[in-house]
Order: sequence, then C-alpha cells, then structure tokens
Amino acid sequence: EPEVTQTPSHQVTQMGQEVILRCVPISNHLYFYWYRQILGQKVEFLVSFYNNEISEKSEIFDDQFSVERPDGSNFTLKIRSTKLEDSAMYFCASRQREGTDTQYFGPGTRLTVL
Amino acid sequence: AQSVSQHNHHVILSEAASLELGCNYSYGGTVNLFWYVQYPGQHLQLLLKYFSGDPLVKGIKGFEAEFIKSKFSFNLRKPSVQWSDTAEYFCAVKSSGAGSYQLTFGKGTKLSVIP
Repeated sequence: EPEVTQTPSHQVTQMGQEVILRCVPISNHLYFYWYRQILGQKVEFLVSFYNNEISEKSEIFDDQFSVERPDGSNFTLKIRSTKLEDSAMYFCASRQREGTDTQYFGPGTRLTVL
Repeated sequence: AQSVSQHNHHVILSEAASLELGCNYSYGGTVNLFWYVQYPGQHLQLLLKYFSGDPLVKGIKGFEAEFIKSKFSFNLRKPSVQWSDTAEYFCAVKSSGAGSYQLTFGKGTKLSVIP
C-alpha cells in the first residue's frame, strides 16, 4: 500500500538556523498538509497546499514558515530561523481529492532546536 | 473555531476488557469526524471516520464509534481489547464546509493493554 514518507526522521539544529523538512506524498494525491505536535500537546494544523498554492494556514504558520512543491513529488516545509519553541514532531499528510477522502499521514520528523 | 476534547489522558486495561474512549467536539456547523491511531514508533493511521448516514460507524480491527449529534460526541469503542491495541488514539474533526481543509485534533488518549 502506498505511504507518505518523510525525511529525515530526526533533525537537530541550532537556534536561528534554517531547516527544511521533506515529505513525499502518495503519488496520485492532490492535497498536502503539514501538522506539528509539540511534546505532550495535541497535533496542530499548520498549512494545507493545493494546486501549487497555500489553501489554508493556521496562526502558527507565520512568516518564518514556507512550503514548496519543488519537483512534482516532494513537498517541503522550511523554517527560516528556528526557535526553541519550534521543537516538535512535524507530520506531513496527503489526500487524493476533496470530499470524503482520508488524509494519510507520514511517520513524522522530530525536530530538536538547541 | 472548532475544538476537540478527549477526556482520558491514559487508560490502562487488561486484555479482553471493553474499551470506550470519549471524544467531544465544539463546532456550530456540520462536521466530519475521525479516529486515528498511532502505534509506538509508527505514523498516524485512520481507524474510522464519519461523514454522514448511519451514526454508528465500524472501522478496522474491531473498533467502532458512535456519533451522537445532540451530545457533540464521537466515542470510540471496542468490546474486547488486545495487547496489540496498545497505542495512542486521536479524535479529530473537520468542518464539512467547502474550502475547509484542516483537521483539528484532540490531545490524544494513550491506551496501555496489559496481557
């Protein structure tokens, strides 16, 4: 069964550094998402992406965050200048189409900002 | 804004015990409801979902959930748990309106099943 994949599984970075988290959604899916989960807290929506543009974003997704689908298969989340509070598990998800389809999640990337 | 409450942070059961995990949501409109499970070291997987129709929905691995609109609830049940059900369970809601894409999750309930 096709799966969403994410790399790396764990990223450690220094505060102020840029990080790029990578996701490969399921190949025929059209809708892409990023969520994050700070340790001990709930999974929070960051952004959704469709047709090469952001379709919805949360208050968390400020100017430090950006998303891109650079080559038709990868879907990336960039954090320009990481802060300590960006430490979290970041999940990518994809969905085939509108309506009743399910969002399929990747295994997550654990980001640790020192 | 929508929100989801899961009442139990950690539930510990013996094998063969019955399970019910509570989920309440807050939202004024029509919603789609989901239960996801995360086994240790694995990614979030869909257990079941409700969009419309029969409010009692059956999912994988013997799980079911009942949507009670008047109570804004979508509780997850299983008659007899197994050790392999040890995992974290997340309830999620999505507005069914057009243009709404995000899932709003509860904090999760950790289930530990003792053999």
